[in-house]
Amino acid sequence: EVQLVESGGGLVQPGGSLRLSCAASGFTFSSYEMNWVRQAPGKGLEWVSYISSSGSTIYYADSVKGRFTISRDNAKNSLYLQMNSLRAEDTAVYYCARTVAAAVGAFDYWGQGTLVTVSS
Amino acid sequence: EIVMTQSPATLSVSPGERATLSCRASQSVSSNLAWYQQKPGQAPRLLIYGASTRATGIPARFSGSGSGTEFTLTISSLQSEDFAVYYCQQYNNWPPENTFGGGTKVEIK
Repeated sequence: EVQLVESGGGLVQPGGSLRLSCAASGFTFSSYEMNWVRQAPGKGLEWVSYISSSGSTIYYADSVKGRFTISRDNAKNSLYLQMNSLRAEDTAVYYCARTVAAAVGAFDYWGQGTLVTVSS
Repeated sequence: EIVMTQSPATLSVSPGERATLSCRASQSVSSNLAWYQQKPGQAPRLLIYGASTRATGIPARFSGSGSGTEFTLTISSLQSEDFAVYYCQQYNNWPPENTFGGGTKVEIK
């Protein structure tokens, strides 16, 4: 069974940092592209970042470029999101999500999400 | 950026009835379109990708159609568990370009 389990969310002050983790199991993690997608309270979905299966290719949404860093450790079946210079508008539930297949940018498995609250 | 517009914002349907949800792209996305279902407090669930391919384990009552700029998700006979918010997503120039629609809430009439 495919499982994605996020952790690391919490309350942080504006300008602060947080590192999210996503533990994957039930599939060959190193073969899949991975993503972070977020959802602000009561709002819709926003893609945040992408990393290729090897980690060699990375993309970010303009809203987080220069502040967030995605990474992965295929030996540990884990995905990460380092979030710096956090703003109130970064408050959201953050999901890790697996891409269906290369060149198919739909997300077939999602974690349960971890809430990040940026507030003083 | 391609803008995805979903309509209606809210759809009131009785159990057993058909539901038809629309998604329009501001420019052609070919068949690079996915649909998701999200229930309160849960993660989104992939229903359809490639505009019409059902994801693993998705019941046949869910079907997708369309190409270019106009897409439809049809739920042939609504079950109690289908009342949720539905999002479309285009991924025409993936990676990384992709955008989600604002969602359609399907509620009990």
